[in-house]
Parts: sequence; C-alpha cells; structure tokens
Amino acid sequence: EAGVTQFPSHSVIEKGQTVTLRCDPISGHDNLYWYRRVMGKEIKFLLHFVKESKQDESGMPNNRFLAERTGGTYSTLKVQPAELEDSGVYFCASSRAGASTDTQYFGPGTRLTVL
Amino acid sequence: GQSLEQPSEVTAVEGAIVQINCTYQTSGFYGLSWYQQHDGGAPTFLSYNALDGLEETGRFSSFLSRSDSYGYLLLQELQMKDSASYFCAVIGGFKTIFGAGTRLFVKA
Repeated sequence: EAGVTQFPSHSVIEKGQTVTLRCDPISGHDNLYWYRRVMGKEIKFLLHFVKESKQDESGMPNNRFLAERTGGTYSTLKVQPAELEDSGVYFCASSRAGASTDTQYFGPGTRLTVL
Repeated sequence: GQSLEQPSEVTAVEGAIVQINCTYQTSGFYGLSWYQQHDGGAPTFLSYNALDGLEETGRFSSFLSRSDSYGYLLLQELQMKDSASYFCAVIGGFKTIFGAGTRLFVKA
C-alpha cells in the first residue's frame, strides 16, 4: 500500500508569489489533514477534510491560504500571495476514520521557503 | 487556550533508558499519541493511550494519567537510530494538537 505522498518536496519562492502544494492520501482514506511546522515549533493543525468537505478549518492562518479536495481524493493547498512568515514544512496526513479513533499517516512534507 | 509542554531536547547514551514527558492543557481529550520524526522524514505513529496506564510496544512504552493531564514516552535499550524528534499529540475530537517536539540525541 502506497503511503501519503506530497509534491513538491521543496519550494523556494519570493514574497508575493503563489505556491500550490499537493497531497495524495492513502487510497481509501476519507480523512485528510494539513499541518504546518515552523522551525523548532509545534506541528500546527491547519485543516481537516472528510472526503471533499472541510470538517474543520479553524487552523488556517488567514485568507491567503486556500485548501481544496475536489472529488475527495487528492488535496491542494494554495498560498497566495506568499509572505515571509509562511515559510515552514507543510505536512499532509490521512486516516481512514476520524482523528479520535484512528492513526494518522503523515506524508514527508513540503518544505516551503519564502524569500 | 490549548497547549502541550515537552522538553525541547534530551541526550542519552546508547543502551540507556530515557523518558520524555508531556503535559497538556486542552479543551477536548480523547487520547494521547506519540510520533517519531527523523530529520527530513514524515512523522510516524508510535503509540496511543486513551486510558490511564502503561502501553508497551517493544522497546517503547507510553504512559497516561488523565487526572494529571500528563503522559510520557519511555524508550529502552536506546539505539543510535532512535535519534529523532518525538512529538506528543492530544487527540481532541476531530483535531489533533501537537507539542513542539523533543529532540533526542543518542550518543555512543
């Protein structure tokens, strides 16, 4: 069984540009999560999809961030326009059931650097 | 607010035992998980405690005391490959809240 994959693995962009991150969850996992880790700090929850619906997006920092999961399969996270403080590692995770009962499987992350 | 506290760094020698503590303050609580992350890699699940007590999985054990809002991860017979970051995480409803991670250095 393939694990969670993320693309790209690294992205370096300039302030003001747009970046789109992609996550492919494990096949059959309805739950998909986005997290972000800024250097040395906690892995911070961004949002949670159940299939194509946003279950909880309370962690999204502001309206420069847009997440989609059309068709309930892969998800994208777009940052537009990017700011310096958006730099960090963006992780995607998926699980078969909800977070209260099921293990989340993480992808390797996308390291975003905004210059 | 919601917060998890764990030490930022721990150093131990190969073959030793190390305990990584985690205290939490969250509005919802289903259980406490531990994840391991090697540099550049994905966080990988280690253990989950929903009830008080000790859960053992090989060289790793995890403990939870809900009344104290406290848990720990115990690593025995440390190996060099155990050098990594370890995150505690509270499962609260549909959201998982992570700590900042503890960097474990294992020395020969």
